Amino acid sequence: NAGVMQNPRHLVRRRGQEARLRCSPMKGHSHVYWYRQLPEEGLKFMVYLQKENIIDESGMPKERFSAEFPKEGPSILRIQQVVRGDSAAYFCASSPPQGGVRNTGELFFGEGSRLTVL
Amino acid sequence: SQQGEEDPQALSIQEGENATMNCSYKTSINNLQWYRQNSGRGLVHLILIRSNEREKHSGRLRVTLDTSKKSSSLLITASRAADTASYFCATVLKNSGYALNFGKGTSLLVTP
Repeated sequence: NAGVMQNPRHLVRRRGQEARLRCSPMKGHSHVYWYRQLPEEGLKFMVYLQKENIIDESGMPKERFSAEFPKEGPSILRIQQVVRGDSAAYFCASSPPQGGVRNTGELFFGEGSRLTVL
Repeated sequence: SQQGEEDPQALSIQEGENATMNCSYKTSINNLQWYRQNSGRGLVHLILIRSNEREKHSGRLRVTLDTSKKSSSLLITASRAADTASYFCATVLKNSGYALNFGKGTSLLVTP
């Protein structure tokens, strides 16, 4: 049973380019969360999505950042016109549907995508 | 702002010693979770303690929760070099389902 899969693991972009990070949740999980981690820092919540719906994007910068979780395929975090300050590790996590007996509140994390902006 | 705040920020001990990390939070909670992150890796869930529990054990881990003081502690007994990692406490982000709010973590170094 594969865990949360993120790709690419490492991504290098020049300033002004676009970065696309992908996340496939664990099988049976319909909730996806994106977090950003700067060096030596904790994780900062960015966005919480269910299939075809953004539930909470309160942690997402208003400009240049967007996220989606389509009916088919992985969740995508898109960063347009990247700047050096976007360099960070981006983690995706997933969980089962809320309210189900399988949902203990635990999040299952991928190994992260490390973005470097030159 | 971060809901959970861990202290100390860094802790260095020798193998066999116990390691204690503390976490404080600000608002009421249903549960509090602890996660571990090895360098360059994703977070792994360690243990969850509910608001009506005071103490919980899992192997060499012991977690306490004091809701009156809005604090929790994680104790790792008989530490091993493999316990070297960062440890984060997490509480549910208000009004956001199961999205969690993490502190900055405690970096634990266990030397042989």
